[in-house]
Amino acid sequence: DIQMTQSPSSLSASVGDRVTITCRASQGISNNLAWYQQKPGKVPNLLIYAASTLQSGVPSRFSGSGSGTDFTLTITSLQPEDVATYYCQKYNSAPQTFGQGTKVEIK
Amino acid sequence: QVQLVESGGGVVQPGRSLRLSCAASGFTFSNSGMHWVRQAPGKGLEWVAVISYDGSNKYYADSVKGRFTISRDNSKNTLYLQMNSLRAEDTAVYYCAKDRDSGGWGGVNYWGQGTLVTVSS
Repeated sequence: DIQMTQSPSSLSASVGDRVTITCRASQGISNNLAWYQQKPGKVPNLLIYAASTLQSGVPSRFSGSGSGTDFTLTITSLQPEDVATYYCQKYNSAPQTFGQGTKVEIK
Repeated sequence: QVQLVESGGGVVQPGRSLRLSCAASGFTFSNSGMHWVRQAPGKGLEWVAVISYDGSNKYYADSVKGRFTISRDNSKNTLYLQMNSLRAEDTAVYYCAKDRDSGGWGGVNYWGQGTLVTVSS
């Protein structure tokens, strides 16, 4: 099975900072990758699909890039409401594995 | 608006069975791939199973294969998860989720609120 590894596991940044989260697949998955945001006590929310396509209604400060095995989620200007855990997920084949998550906090 | 409402969770003893249901509304259920995803207390998301729009294709995580069965009734707009031989490690909130793709290969764009399953003696 293909493993999905996110880094870092957690980060602390200041409001307005640029934040980058990485997701690496153990084998190539083309662009079959999604990113989700889960705020504390809430249900996950789709941010990005097809590695770089912004889901409708998601703020433009979120962006995704990558293909094959290496992917990145970027928040260009971190806001207080972005405090959450972020997950990547591969969906090209079963199992549709999630990464272990990256917890983002405000410094 | 899309609504996914799970039911059937609760406390169950190890080795017993439980069936979860998910009532869907606000979209054409019979055109959508559907998933079950779970989250153990304080842990990350774990994908459990996917079913295609017509029920013809089903796939499972290794951790539940042979014990859990995903199914759907398009006439009732309802998704199911039959869970047998439950273990303590199956304790989690179980989310019903709608895929962007009819086959279930597009990422999840809607989630239910989840139902808690606790496996304990």
